[in-house]
Amino acid sequence: GENVEQHPSTLSVQEGDSAVIKCTYSDSASNYFPWYKQELGKGPQLIIDIRSNVGEKKDQRIAVTLNKTAKHFSLHITETQPEDSAVYFCAASETSGTYKYIFGTGTRLKVLA
Amino acid sequence: GAVVSQHPSRVICKSGTSVKIECRSLDFQATTMFWYRQFPKQSLMLMATSNEGSKATYEQGVEKDKFLINHASLTLSTLTVTSAHPEDSSFYICSLYRQGLTDTQYFGPGTRLTVL
Repeated sequence: GENVEQHPSTLSVQEGDSAVIKCTYSDSASNYFPWYKQELGKGPQLIIDIRSNVGEKKDQRIAVTLNKTAKHFSLHITETQPEDSAVYFCAASETSGTYKYIFGTGTRLKVLA
Repeated sequence: GAVVSQHPSRVICKSGTSVKIECRSLDFQATTMFWYRQFPKQSLMLMATSNEGSKATYEQGVEKDKFLINHASLTLSTLTVTSAHPEDSSFYICSLYRQGLTDTQYFGPGTRLTVL
């Protein structure tokens, strides 16, 4: 079955700097990769996603890149702000037709003012 | 996107009692919903897949008689934790699957369960 690894587990950056979180997956047939942001005590919120037929997608300060050959995808946040501080989860869709996701272990991002 | 609500947001109960958590889709009909639990500083753990009009599919290791799931309509799924014990204390989150251009799950705000 699918396995997703996420790194780093914690990340501290200065406000205004960029942050990069990386995930690798094992099932080459996975075709959908969402990223979620979870603030303390709240449910995860979708921030960006990418399908396997696209190499890169950008939405303002957030971008996601996908390398199908290497089976890894990354979240890039530029010009970080204190409100970006949260836990970020990557996920990969299962290919069994169940609509399930396999989640990474999460990255706790802290943006220092 | 999608708007998902959960009720209650927080519940404290005594050991041995049952607790029902509701998950509602407010803006579309969801044939598939998911229930997760999350322990502090950990990732999301899928408990079961809830399909409207049929029995839920439970993940390995999740007791179906303890965590009862009912998806009676296209906008409501409920999770009942039966005979709750302190080890059931956790953050329970539902998600709705929205099929379309992207196959996306949208999450509810979560329910914090504390069993005394």
